[in-house]
Amino acid sequence: KNQVEQSPQSLIILEGKNCTLQCNYTVSPFSNLRWYKQDTGRGPVSLTIMTFSENTKSNGRYTATLDADTKQSSLHITASQLSDSASYICVVSASPWNDYKLSFGAGTTVTVRA
Amino acid sequence: DAGVIQSPRHEVTEMGQEVTLRCKPISGHDYLFWYRQTMMRGLELLIYFNNNVPIDDSGMPEDRFSAKMPNASFSTLKIQPSEPRDSAVYFCASSLQGFYEQYFGPGTRLTVT
Repeated sequence: KNQVEQSPQSLIILEGKNCTLQCNYTVSPFSNLRWYKQDTGRGPVSLTIMTFSENTKSNGRYTATLDADTKQSSLHITASQLSDSASYICVVSASPWNDYKLSFGAGTTVTVRA
Repeated sequence: DAGVIQSPRHEVTEMGQEVTLRCKPISGHDYLFWYRQTMMRGLELLIYFNNNVPIDDSGMPEDRFSAKMPNASFSTLKIQPSEPRDSAVYFCASSLQGFYEQYFGPGTRLTVT
């Protein structure tokens, strides 16, 4: 069973609207959580990286939140643009001394329509 | 900066043939990672190197897969013999600090018929 579950699997939104993607994980212990954006035919690009003590981190119109107690994270996209159409992948890393053990979510495919 | 460079971008081969994928990491990065991405399994870490030394290859699916990093600017992932189930997109990534801020290449789409 995947230790990182993302929802929804896909969503369609109109340009200019906001949306929120969810990531629930069971990875333990926990070191950090990353959100990646992957455009079609391209490699993933890091959006945010959050450690245990961080609750919110922003990168432009992208805002990630983390609740380490409930093991949940969300990625909020504000005022969506056509260029936001991509797959968004949540990745969780275990403790620092075992940091290479990454658990990947299956991703959420976002389609922004004009 | 040219970013991580991978070649070829697309590879189509027949079952049983040897396939070699190539990667040039970002200059100065001392970690290099090989990933595989499929619709069914998503992104999977295959192997990673630190200072040209393989650290963990537990993600390599079978003995048919091997990876080398002869120097700081070049790595290969070889599949011999290839099978249809190896069809996937293979990504190379590099970083300065282990798994923080990994920079991915454009990927190689491998199709084994």
